Amino acid sequence: GAVVSQHPSRVICKSGTSVKIECRSLDFQATTMFWYRQFPKQSLMLMATSNEGSKATYEQGVEKDKFLINHASLTLSTLTVTSAHPEDSSFYICSTHPLSGQPQHFGDGTRLSIL
Amino acid sequence: AQKVTQAQTEISVVEKEDVTLDCVYETRDTTYYLFWYKQPPSGELVFLIRRNSFDEQNEISGRYSWNFQKSTSSFNFTITASQVVDSAVYFCALSEGAGNYGQNFVFGPGTRLSVLP
Repeated sequence: GAVVSQHPSRVICKSGTSVKIECRSLDFQATTMFWYRQFPKQSLMLMATSNEGSKATYEQGVEKDKFLINHASLTLSTLTVTSAHPEDSSFYICSTHPLSGQPQHFGDGTRLSIL
Repeated sequence: AQKVTQAQTEISVVEKEDVTLDCVYETRDTTYYLFWYKQPPSGELVFLIRRNSFDEQNEISGRYSWNFQKSTSSFNFTITASQVVDSAVYFCALSEGAGNYGQNFVFGPGTRLSVLP
Protein backbone atom coordinates (compact mmCIF):
# COMPACT_ATOMS: atom_id res chain seq x y z
CA GLY A 1 0.00 0.00 0.00
CA ALA A 2 0.90 3.65 -0.19
CA VAL A 3 3.62 4.86 2.10
CA VAL A 4 3.15 8.53 1.38
CA SER A 5 -0.29 10.03 0.91
CA GLN A 6 -0.66 13.29 -0.98
CA HIS A 7 -3.90 15.23 -1.15
CA PRO A 8 -5.61 16.53 -3.17
CA SER A 9 -4.69 14.78 -6.39
CA ARG A 10 -6.07 17.55 -8.56
CA VAL A 11 -7.01 21.17 -8.01
CA ILE A 12 -8.58 23.61 -10.43
CA CYS A 13 -9.12 27.10 -9.13
CA LYS A 14 -9.22 30.75 -10.04
CA SER A 15 -6.25 33.04 -10.12
CA GLY A 16 -5.58 34.62 -6.74
CA THR A 17 -6.68 31.63 -4.73
CA SER A 18 -4.38 30.04 -2.18
CA VAL A 19 -4.08 26.29 -2.42
CA LYS A 20 -2.89 23.91 0.28
CA ILE A 21 -1.40 20.52 -0.55
CA GLU A 22 -0.89 17.91 2.14
CA CYS A 23 1.75 15.22 2.27
CA ARG A 24 1.39 12.52 4.89
CA SER A 25 3.83 9.83 5.84
CA LEU A 26 1.68 6.82 6.63
CA ASP A 27 3.99 4.16 8.00
CA PHE A 28 6.83 6.04 9.60
CA GLN A 29 7.88 9.29 11.13
CA ALA A 30 9.44 11.68 8.68
CA THR A 31 11.59 14.47 10.01
CA THR A 32 12.33 15.53 6.48
CA MET A 33 10.08 15.75 3.47
CA PHE A 34 10.74 17.13 0.03
CA TRP A 35 8.63 19.09 -2.40
CA TYR A 36 9.16 18.90 -6.13
CA ARG A 37 7.55 20.70 -9.04
CA GLN A 38 7.20 19.34 -12.54
CA PHE A 39 6.11 21.49 -15.46
CA PRO A 40 4.62 19.73 -18.51
CA LYS A 41 7.11 17.59 -20.37
CA GLN A 42 9.88 18.57 -17.99
CA SER A 43 11.73 16.85 -15.20
CA LEU A 44 11.11 17.10 -11.49
CA MET A 45 12.85 19.97 -9.77
CA LEU A 46 13.34 20.15 -6.03
CA MET A 47 11.61 23.19 -4.63
CA ALA A 48 12.26 22.88 -0.93
CA THR A 49 13.16 20.62 1.93
CA SER A 50 10.64 20.55 4.74
CA ASN A 51 12.05 20.01 8.23
CA GLU A 52 9.85 19.05 11.15
CA GLY A 53 9.87 21.74 13.79
CA SER A 54 12.04 24.18 11.88
CA LYS A 55 12.04 26.35 8.80
CA ALA A 56 12.03 24.84 5.37
CA THR A 57 15.04 25.13 3.12
CA TYR A 58 14.23 26.52 -0.31
CA GLU A 59 16.12 25.95 -3.52
CA GLN A 60 17.49 28.91 -5.39
CA GLY A 61 14.83 30.73 -7.33
CA VAL A 62 11.90 29.43 -5.28
CA GLU A 63 9.99 32.18 -3.47
CA LYS A 64 9.50 31.19 0.14
CA ASP A 65 6.71 33.72 0.59
CA LYS A 66 4.92 32.27 -2.40
CA PHE A 67 5.29 28.64 -1.43
CA LEU A 68 4.67 28.31 2.28
CA ILE A 69 5.76 25.06 3.85
CA ASN A 70 4.68 23.85 7.25
CA HIS A 71 5.97 20.65 8.83
CA ALA A 72 4.29 20.74 12.18
CA SER A 73 4.32 17.02 12.91
CA LEU A 74 6.42 14.00 12.08
CA THR A 75 3.84 12.72 9.63
CA LEU A 76 2.54 15.81 7.88
CA SER A 77 4.02 18.49 5.69
CA THR A 78 1.91 21.03 3.85
CA LEU A 79 2.71 23.22 0.87
CA THR A 80 0.55 26.29 0.38
CA VAL A 81 0.71 28.09 -2.93
CA THR A 82 -0.34 31.59 -2.00
CA SER A 83 -2.25 33.81 -4.41
CA ALA A 84 -1.75 31.30 -7.19
CA HIS A 85 -1.48 32.47 -10.79
CA PRO A 86 -1.61 30.55 -14.07
CA GLU A 87 2.18 30.27 -14.15
CA ASP A 88 1.98 28.26 -10.92
CA SER A 89 0.04 25.56 -12.74
CA SER A 90 2.17 22.48 -12.43
CA PHE A 91 2.44 18.99 -10.98
CA TYR A 92 3.59 19.10 -7.36
CA ILE A 93 4.93 15.97 -5.72
CA CYS A 94 6.25 15.28 -2.26
CA SER A 95 8.57 12.62 -0.99
CA THR A 96 10.21 11.31 2.10
CA HIS A 97 12.32 8.36 3.16
CA PRO A 98 11.98 6.34 6.33
CA LEU A 99 15.59 5.79 7.19
CA SER A 100 18.93 6.85 5.91
CA GLY A 101 19.88 4.34 3.28
CA GLN A 102 16.34 3.71 2.13
CA PRO A 103 14.98 4.98 -1.18
CA GLN A 104 12.61 7.89 -1.26
CA HIS A 105 8.89 7.29 -1.24
CA PHE A 106 6.91 9.64 -3.42
CA GLY A 107 3.34 10.77 -3.10
CA ASP A 108 1.10 10.41 -6.12
CA GLY A 109 1.33 14.11 -6.85
CA THR A 110 -1.06 17.02 -7.11
CA ARG A 111 -1.96 18.48 -10.46
CA LEU A 112 -2.63 22.18 -9.95
CA SER A 113 -4.41 24.16 -12.63
CA ILE A 114 -4.95 27.89 -12.14
CA LEU A 115 -7.46 29.50 -14.45
CA ALA B 1 27.66 19.91 -8.95
CA GLN B 2 26.06 16.66 -9.87
CA LYS B 3 24.24 16.26 -13.14
CA VAL B 4 22.21 13.60 -14.89
CA THR B 5 21.87 13.45 -18.65
CA GLN B 6 19.35 11.42 -20.58
CA ALA B 7 20.18 12.15 -24.17
CA GLN B 8 17.10 10.46 -25.60
CA THR B 9 14.14 12.79 -25.26
CA GLU B 10 11.66 10.46 -26.90
CA ILE B 11 11.82 6.90 -28.15
CA SER B 12 9.21 4.96 -30.07
CA VAL B 13 9.39 1.22 -30.52
CA VAL B 14 7.05 -1.46 -31.69
CA GLU B 15 5.81 -3.95 -29.16
CA LYS B 16 8.19 -6.85 -28.46
CA GLU B 17 11.24 -4.86 -29.46
CA ASP B 18 14.04 -4.38 -26.95
CA VAL B 19 14.85 -0.81 -25.98
CA THR B 20 17.69 0.75 -24.02
CA LEU B 21 17.37 4.05 -22.21
CA ASP B 22 20.64 5.84 -21.65
CA CYS B 23 21.70 7.66 -18.52
CA VAL B 24 25.01 9.45 -17.98
CA TYR B 25 25.82 11.13 -14.71
CA GLU B 26 28.39 13.48 -13.24
CA THR B 27 29.45 13.64 -9.63
CA ARG B 28 32.53 14.41 -7.59
CA ASP B 29 31.51 12.14 -4.75
CA THR B 30 32.85 8.63 -4.49
CA THR B 31 29.73 7.52 -2.66
CA TYR B 32 26.47 8.03 -4.46
CA TYR B 33 23.27 6.29 -5.49
CA LEU B 34 21.62 5.94 -8.86
CA PHE B 35 17.94 5.39 -9.45
CA TRP B 36 15.45 4.75 -12.19
CA TYR B 37 11.82 5.80 -11.88
CA LYS B 38 8.88 5.27 -14.19
CA GLN B 39 6.22 7.94 -14.54
CA PRO B 40 3.11 6.69 -16.35
CA PRO B 41 0.57 9.17 -17.77
CA SER B 42 -1.26 9.21 -14.44
CA GLY B 43 1.74 11.03 -12.98
CA GLU B 44 2.88 9.00 -10.01
CA LEU B 45 6.50 7.97 -9.75
CA VAL B 46 7.18 4.27 -9.66
CA PHE B 47 10.50 3.24 -8.14
CA LEU B 48 12.34 0.72 -10.32
CA ILE B 49 15.84 0.35 -8.97
CA ARG B 50 18.52 1.80 -6.73
CA ARG B 51 22.20 1.12 -7.18
CA ASN B 52 25.03 2.34 -4.98
CA SER B 53 28.35 3.45 -6.37
CA PHE B 54 30.22 0.48 -4.98
CA ASP B 55 28.05 -2.11 -6.63
CA GLU B 56 28.70 -2.37 -10.33
CA GLN B 57 27.00 -5.69 -10.69
CA ASN B 58 24.38 -5.61 -13.38
CA GLU B 59 20.86 -6.45 -12.39
CA ILE B 60 17.99 -8.17 -14.08
CA SER B 61 14.41 -8.09 -12.91
CA GLY B 62 12.02 -9.78 -15.26
CA ARG B 63 12.08 -7.88 -18.54
CA TYR B 64 14.12 -5.08 -17.01
CA SER B 65 17.89 -4.97 -16.79
CA TRP B 66 20.38 -2.34 -15.77
CA ASN B 67 23.99 -1.87 -16.81
CA PHE B 68 26.13 0.23 -14.47
CA GLN B 69 29.51 1.26 -15.84
CA LYS B 70 31.50 3.54 -13.54
CA SER B 71 34.23 3.87 -16.16
CA THR B 72 31.82 5.69 -18.45
CA SER B 73 29.58 7.11 -15.70
CA SER B 74 26.59 5.43 -17.21
CA PHE B 75 23.62 3.59 -15.80
CA ASN B 76 21.59 2.34 -18.73
CA PHE B 77 18.22 0.66 -18.55
CA THR B 78 17.03 -2.01 -20.98
CA ILE B 79 13.50 -3.26 -21.42
CA THR B 80 13.33 -6.59 -23.21
CA ALA B 81 10.30 -7.53 -25.28
CA SER B 82 8.63 -4.20 -24.66
CA GLN B 83 4.92 -3.96 -24.05
CA VAL B 84 2.40 -1.18 -24.52
CA VAL B 85 2.14 -0.85 -20.73
CA ASP B 86 5.79 0.16 -20.67
CA SER B 87 4.85 3.46 -22.31
CA ALA B 88 5.82 6.15 -19.82
CA VAL B 89 8.44 8.72 -19.01
CA TYR B 90 11.50 7.20 -17.40
CA PHE B 91 13.74 9.23 -15.12
CA CYS B 92 17.26 8.45 -14.08
CA ALA B 93 18.29 10.12 -10.82
CA LEU B 94 21.41 10.59 -8.75
CA SER B 95 21.85 11.17 -5.04
CA GLU B 96 25.21 12.06 -3.60
CA GLY B 97 26.39 11.11 -0.16
CA ALA B 98 26.36 8.03 1.98
CA GLY B 99 22.81 7.93 3.09
CA ASN B 100 20.77 11.07 2.75
CA TYR B 101 18.59 10.72 -0.31
CA GLY B 102 16.86 14.00 -0.01
CA GLN B 103 19.41 16.65 -0.39
CA ASN B 104 21.30 16.56 -3.63
CA PHE B 105 18.79 14.24 -5.24
CA VAL B 106 18.80 15.19 -8.91
CA PHE B 107 16.56 13.88 -11.68
CA GLY B 108 17.56 13.62 -15.29
CA PRO B 109 15.35 15.27 -17.91
CA GLY B 110 13.54 12.01 -18.62
CA THR B 111 12.98 9.86 -21.68
CA ARG B 112 9.47 9.45 -23.02
CA LEU B 113 9.01 5.90 -24.24
CA SER B 114 6.13 5.03 -26.53
CA VAL B 115 5.54 1.38 -27.26
CA LEU B 116 3.29 0.93 -30.24
CA PRO B 117 1.10 -2.14 -30.66
